[in-house]
Amino acid sequence: AQKVTQAQTEISVVEKEDVTLDCVYETRDTTYYLFWYKQPPSGELVFLIRRNSFDEQNEISGRYSWNFQKSTSSFNFTITASQVVDSAVYFCALSEAKRTDSWGKLQFGAGTQVVVTP
Amino acid sequence: EPEVTQTPSHQVTQMGQEVILRCVPISNHLYFYWYRQILGQKVEFLVSFYNNEISEKSEIFDDQFSVERPDGSNFTLKIRSTKLEDSAMYFCASGEGTEAFFGQGTRLTVV
Repeated sequence: AQKVTQAQTEISVVEKEDVTLDCVYETRDTTYYLFWYKQPPSGELVFLIRRNSFDEQNEISGRYSWNFQKSTSSFNFTITASQVVDSAVYFCALSEAKRTDSWGKLQFGAGTQVVVTP
Repeated sequence: EPEVTQTPSHQVTQMGQEVILRCVPISNHLYFYWYRQILGQKVEFLVSFYNNEISEKSEIFDDQFSVERPDGSNFTLKIRSTKLEDSAMYFCASGEGTEAFFGQGTRLTVV
């Protein structure tokens, strides 16, 4: 069975501080995908990144960076120099790749609320 | 940029009524999904749909729920005899086999 754990319920930071969101996953599959989504107060799910299980290279996109470590089954997300607009709930998710249609079946973590104050 | 469109954005219904949530997936996508998010909780998979049939469903997706692709463009989720606990945000997603693109969600409130 798959499982995604986001142990941090809420993180509060002051603007310009860095914030790191933890994500630990469990799966028996050797091929899988990991995702991060942002859910602002308006409620929509905003796709941030997808990473497949064979690509452990870390990625940076502007102020966002991701650290994928298969050895510890973790896929952590860091926001550098946070801004008020980063305030949202962030979800980590996992999908298996056994079948073509299973790539869209995501197992989400409980989410981490990030609050950035000026 | 193509996107998944859901209507309505917010629906209020009386307990016991039937509701239909509508989604227009991205046009060349073949895989369709519904997810549910009860307020303050995580997003949960309901059902996946491919080749005009359900390919997988979760325990949540019981006989109260059904999905349909009535006209080749829309993808609907029907909830019969709604209960208070059906109040949630419902997300539609579509994909072409490598990932799922989410719509903006329909907030369902059962009163």
